[in-house]
Amino acid sequence: QSGLTQPPSASGTPGQRVTMSCSGSSSNIGSNYVSWYRHLPGTAPKLLIYDNDQRPAGVPDRFSGSKSGTSASLAISGLRSEDEADFYCSTWDDSLSGNVFGSGTKVTAL
Amino acid sequence: EVQLVETGGGSVQPGGSLRLSCAASGFNFTDYWMSWVRQAPGKGLEWVANINEDGNEDYYVDSVQGRFTVSRDNGKKSLYLEMSSLRAEDTAVYYCARELDGFGLDVWGQGTKVTVSS
Repeated sequence: QSGLTQPPSASGTPGQRVTMSCSGSSSNIGSNYVSWYRHLPGTAPKLLIYDNDQRPAGVPDRFSGSKSGTSASLAISGLRSEDEADFYCSTWDDSLSGNVFGSGTKVTAL
Repeated sequence: EVQLVETGGGSVQPGGSLRLSCAASGFNFTDYWMSWVRQAPGKGLEWVANINEDGNEDYYVDSVQGRFTVSRDNGKKSLYLEMSSLRAEDTAVYYCARELDGFGLDVWGQGTKVTVSS
């Protein structure tokens, strides 16, 4: 059911800026807010960005989100080894009448 | 402290049923939509279902439509997922989560594991 496409992996050296994309369509990203999550298997996912570019309290400003048309992106500036995890985008899909997650991007600090 | 705690996971045979519960604390439960999200072994996150504040509007992913039912008891500050006709592909860790107005999920439980196997 996922209509959101994410690259399977992204990497960078500590201190670098890493970006990842999330591509959708007019029925999902094009007409609804995008959220981003960080997830380590076996733990609870953590909300990093909501409403396209808003950070919940406690999320460092190293994490930033943006949206343009039917695509969104997440940037991590000043990559740290502890940032290694799977990152997912998500939004509501009007055609499916349901929430959808992207396939996830695994971030590695080299 | 804002918290969600899931219970009810376990092992069940294909075709069987299971009821998951999610107890909320530390916030006004009646102010929020609530969601269930799952992660199958080796797979990504998959949204399963959600329900509105009053419990009279709900939505499901196609793969569980007609087999799963989400409900809530606002007096008990609890969310439920009734699962029937379970299949091997329903094997996953199931999380409950609190929804913001823009569908962001800002509070998550620790998850409960469901295994469907003969």
